[in-house]
Amino acid sequence: EAQVTQNPRYLITVTGKKLTVTCSQNMNHEYMSWYRQDPGLGLRQIYYSMNVEVTDKGDVPEGYKVSRKEKRNFPLILESPSPNQTSLYFCASRRSGNNYGYTFGSGTRLTVV
Amino acid sequence: QQQVKQSPQSLIVQKGGISIINCAYENTAFDYFPWYQQFPGKGPALLIAIRPDVSEKKEGRFTISFNKSAKQFSLHIMDSQPGDSATYFCAAVVNQGGKLIFGQGTELSVKP
Repeated sequence: EAQVTQNPRYLITVTGKKLTVTCSQNMNHEYMSWYRQDPGLGLRQIYYSMNVEVTDKGDVPEGYKVSRKEKRNFPLILESPSPNQTSLYFCASRRSGNNYGYTFGSGTRLTVV
Repeated sequence: QQQVKQSPQSLIVQKGGISIINCAYENTAFDYFPWYQQFPGKGPALLIAIRPDVSEKKEGRFTISFNKSAKQFSLHIMDSQPGDSATYFCAAVVNQGGKLIFGQGTELSVKP
């Protein structure tokens, strides 16, 4: 089954404790992206990657890091999480040339206390 | 800055009625205008999309109406069903770079 897999689904952590949210896709998509979803704000792009070793900032990159060492994986790293990063996070991918047909993961609910 | 503005924030419709969600945009460089549907506990999924040179696109009970001069587009759900209850996001994308910009979302509830 073609899918984007995120782990974990739920995470509660404390301020300052480094964490990584993994994202993997099995569709050989070139483009991957991370979004955060907050009530009243919709989904906002954090980082994106157009291919292996090519990443760039989205609209809200502060406090986040990403890497793209393999085509299928695009982890999101929070080096020192803060409470304002409490949110619902989504990883998404699409193939090059299909600019609006994204496949989203099921989300990671992160709470930073 | 919110480049795509969506309304209403929430909507309650009776079964069989028409659900209408509106979006407005500012950037005339957008190339596609997709709508995504999100059920609780799931990620958004592409529902339907339209190009700016088309005024209307219909897929089953879902229709996008597009007004290029007014920079507005809307989603109409005909014969709304309880199974349509979800959050709907309009979006816009620029071909170059392919960045997807979302509206704020509309939580639709269809009452039986």
